[in-house]
Amino acid sequence: AQKVTQAQTEISVVEKEDVTLDCVYETRDTTYYLFWYKQPPSGELVFLIRRNSFDEQNEISGRYSWNFQKSTSSFNFTITASQVVDSAVYFCALSLNNAGNMLTFGGGTRLMVKP
Amino acid sequence: DTGVSQDPRHKITKRGQNVTFRCDPISEHNRLYWYRQTLGQGPEFLTYFQNEAQLEKSRLLSDRFSAERPKGSFSTLEIQRTEQGDSAMYLCASSNMGGSDHNEQFFGPGTRLTVL
Repeated sequence: AQKVTQAQTEISVVEKEDVTLDCVYETRDTTYYLFWYKQPPSGELVFLIRRNSFDEQNEISGRYSWNFQKSTSSFNFTITASQVVDSAVYFCALSLNNAGNMLTFGGGTRLMVKP
Repeated sequence: DTGVSQDPRHKITKRGQNVTFRCDPISEHNRLYWYRQTLGQGPEFLTYFQNEAQLEKSRLLSDRFSAERPKGSFSTLEIQRTEQGDSAMYLCASSNMGGSDHNEQFFGPGTRLTVL
């Protein structure tokens, strides 16, 4: 069975600080997909990124960057120069190639960015 | 905007009553998912449809739960004889199974159920 662990339940930073959200996953499958979603106070999950298990290239999108390392089964998410609007709960998720795409989510990390 | 919509947004019911939620996916999406999220936890998969066929059900989906997607468009999730443990946010998501089998899932705003 697959599992996603987000060890940081809550992080508090001051605006403009960089912050990294950790994600560790477990699966025996060799083909899988990793995701990050943002859940702002309004409640709606917003897709941020998808990565497949064969692509370990790191990705940068504006202030967001993702570090995928198969050797440590980690898919960490960094926000550079955090802003108050980044305050939300962030979820890491995993899906397998043969499981109908259903997502297995971690417990989430609540990020609070203070002005 | 033609995102995923869910109705109602909030539902308060008494224990033992039946409730039904509706989800309208993004129109061209052929896959529809239901998840449940309790306070402070990540969403948990309940079931999914490809077109009108229900292809997978989680063990979380007890006999009191039933989901349908009769015409491969909108879906309903019914909970019979609600229990206080059913209180949660019920999330619907849709995706398009196209060239890539893992197109991202787009989520609706959820239906928050409170069972008194």
